[in-house]
Amino acid sequence: DTGVSQNPRHKITKRGQNVTFRCDPISEHNRLYWYRQTLGQGPEFLTYFQNEAQLEKSRLLSDRFSAERPKGSFSTLEIQRTEQGDSAMYLCASSLARTGNYGYTFGSGTRLTVV
Amino acid sequence: AQSVTQLDSHVSVSEGTPVLLRCNYSSSYSPSLFWYVQHPNKGLQLLLKYTSAATLVKGINGFEAEFKKSETSFHLTKPSAHMSDAAEYFCVVRHGSSNTGKLIFGQGTTLQVKP
Repeated sequence: DTGVSQNPRHKITKRGQNVTFRCDPISEHNRLYWYRQTLGQGPEFLTYFQNEAQLEKSRLLSDRFSAERPKGSFSTLEIQRTEQGDSAMYLCASSLARTGNYGYTFGSGTRLTVV
Repeated sequence: AQSVTQLDSHVSVSEGTPVLLRCNYSSSYSPSLFWYVQHPNKGLQLLLKYTSAATLVKGINGFEAEFKKSETSFHLTKPSAHMSDAAEYFCVVRHGSSNTGKLIFGQGTTLQVKP
């Protein structure tokens, strides 16, 4: 494994279009997180999966956002009808749920620009 | 509710001089605290973590942090700054009231290192 992989690295889209991002976590990691980072701010939690189950969603995740992790491996984050306020860096992280283990590995992120 | 406050949005030091990045935390639980670094166009990298073991935590690249419960602080230090240390630094607390393991980030501190 070479870490957490995110694709694409950059995405420019027109307002109103749908976009989908992909995250491939470290293979043995059963937890997967999505965060959003806007310019000059720290990352904010969006949602969390344990295996294929989506167990928590932030209030930041409006109805236009949906995330899946169909086989407990890779995950996708889709944004429908994008708005300019969706412009941000979307970060994925994975970890292994194990008592005392707090090792999170972050991907390099997908930078979304909505024009 | 848990939170972290980074007391300086921007810190500027000369190469070879000490670095101090300040962080205060708020937590109803015994916190797990982290420092992450983010270089431009790169993913978040873990510098060090505190998980209720030794209060003085040593991390990578010569960084260390001391957990002070009486002061609710977790400041990051380095004896001698290097040009390659210039980056964004985030103080982070692990959310303790749920089992998700989600992370709560501070606003970040930009470290500038002058030659």
